[in-house]
Amino acid sequence: EIVLTQSPGTLSLSPGERATLSCRASQSVSSSYLAWYQQKPGQAPRLLIYGASSRATGIPDRFSGSGSGTDFTLTISRLEPEDFAVYYCQQYGSSPGAFGQGTKLEIK
Amino acid sequence: EVQLVESGGVVVQPGGSLRLSCAASGFTFDDYTMHWVRQAPGKGLEWVSLISWDGGSTYYADSVKGRFTISRDNSKNSLYLQMNSLRTEDTALYYCAKVAVEMATMPLFDYWGQGTLVTVSS
Repeated sequence: EIVLTQSPGTLSLSPGERATLSCRASQSVSSSYLAWYQQKPGQAPRLLIYGASSRATGIPDRFSGSGSGTDFTLTISRLEPEDFAVYYCQQYGSSPGAFGQGTKLEIK
Repeated sequence: EVQLVESGGVVVQPGGSLRLSCAASGFTFDDYTMHWVRQAPGKGLEWVSLISWDGGSTYYADSVKGRFTISRDNSKNSLYLQMNSLRTEDTALYYCAKVAVEMATMPLFDYWGQGTLVTVSS
């Protein structure tokens, strides 16, 4: 079973800054089947990125994903107030589709 | 518009049983594998179970295997989770989630419900 470790646990930044979130897998993620989700308080998760780097429908281009193998990154180029949330990575290439523990992006 | 609406979450005693439901609309339900994912209060996301589009394949997390049963009724566009022998550690918000690719089981979720809260407490 693949284990995903996200870092940092909490990231404190200001609007307009660049955010870089990391996700490391315990073994290679097949075919870059790596997704990122955003979850705001009281809401369900929302798919942001799939296939490591493809944006889901309606996701602004300030969100980008990169990486392969065991190391993946979610970058938010210029933070907007609505971007402060918890972000989860997930591998979906093999069962059971484990999630990382999440990175909380908070306003500094 | 795709909608997933969960129901059935209540407060139940340890050892008790509960059935969750998820009503789906806005897509061809019987073309898609469906999953349950849960989130304990203040914690992260935990995959629970999946059922293939035709109901022929089911899988469970080790933490619920033998206690939970996933099922679906394609004629009613509905997904279910029968939960038996409930434990305090099963306390969570339970989401149903639709996979993004039809006729595939891979757990990439493009739509989620708003969740239904299950509290296991004496």
